[in-house]
Amino acid sequence: GAGVSQSPSNKVTEKGKDVELRCDPISGHTALYWYRQSLGQGLEFLIYFQGNSAPDKSGLPSDRFSAERTGGSVSTLTIQRTQQEDSAVYLCASSLSYRETDTQYFGPGTRLTVL
Amino acid sequence: GEDVEQSLFLSVREGDSSVINCTYTDSSSTYLYWYKQEPGAGLQLLTYIFSNMDMKQDQRLTVLLNKKDKHLSLRIADTQTGDSAIYFCAAIMFSGGYNKLIFGAGTRLAVHP
Repeated sequence: GAGVSQSPSNKVTEKGKDVELRCDPISGHTALYWYRQSLGQGLEFLIYFQGNSAPDKSGLPSDRFSAERTGGSVSTLTIQRTQQEDSAVYLCASSLSYRETDTQYFGPGTRLTVL
Repeated sequence: GEDVEQSLFLSVREGDSSVINCTYTDSSSTYLYWYKQEPGAGLQLLTYIFSNMDMKQDQRLTVLLNKKDKHLSLRIADTQTGDSAIYFCAAIMFSGGYNKLIFGAGTRLAVHP
């Protein structure tokens, strides 16, 4: 079946503009995660959704970052007034639920470049 | 909280074995994972090990876990050029009523003839 998909695959934007990144999880997966991978760094957890609610937003780096999930499916990560330090690959993952035995499956990521 | 560390680079000759090492700090992590990332691609789950095991083998992959030292390793036998990628070690951390993965910085494996 289809895996996790993300769009766009690449996004180049100017500093100060807003961007929206989209994630389509695997059908039936209730848990959805966003991570950020900066150059030469590991993956940094941003936010987690169980269904449509986000019990933990502590990983969001600033109040310019927000995320929502509608219908328990698609999620969008919005970055307002982008800064150059926001340049990174943004990865989305989904799992059947939040249990530790539920493997997280990753999408191909969105590479964001802020000029 | 959990901290996961890995060496950043490993270079091996084709046909040799590769060993990628990882350490973690939270002894309560129940699952530990290895993910592979090829250029321009997302993360692919390679294998995982439950904390009550000390070894798991899956074809060319062998995972060793030393829970006392909080040390995890991934051995790739007969390494091929197609194994060139970044390998991420990750540990499960239960926080706030759910599980999240804490990743290391990744080890870039280069396989040369």
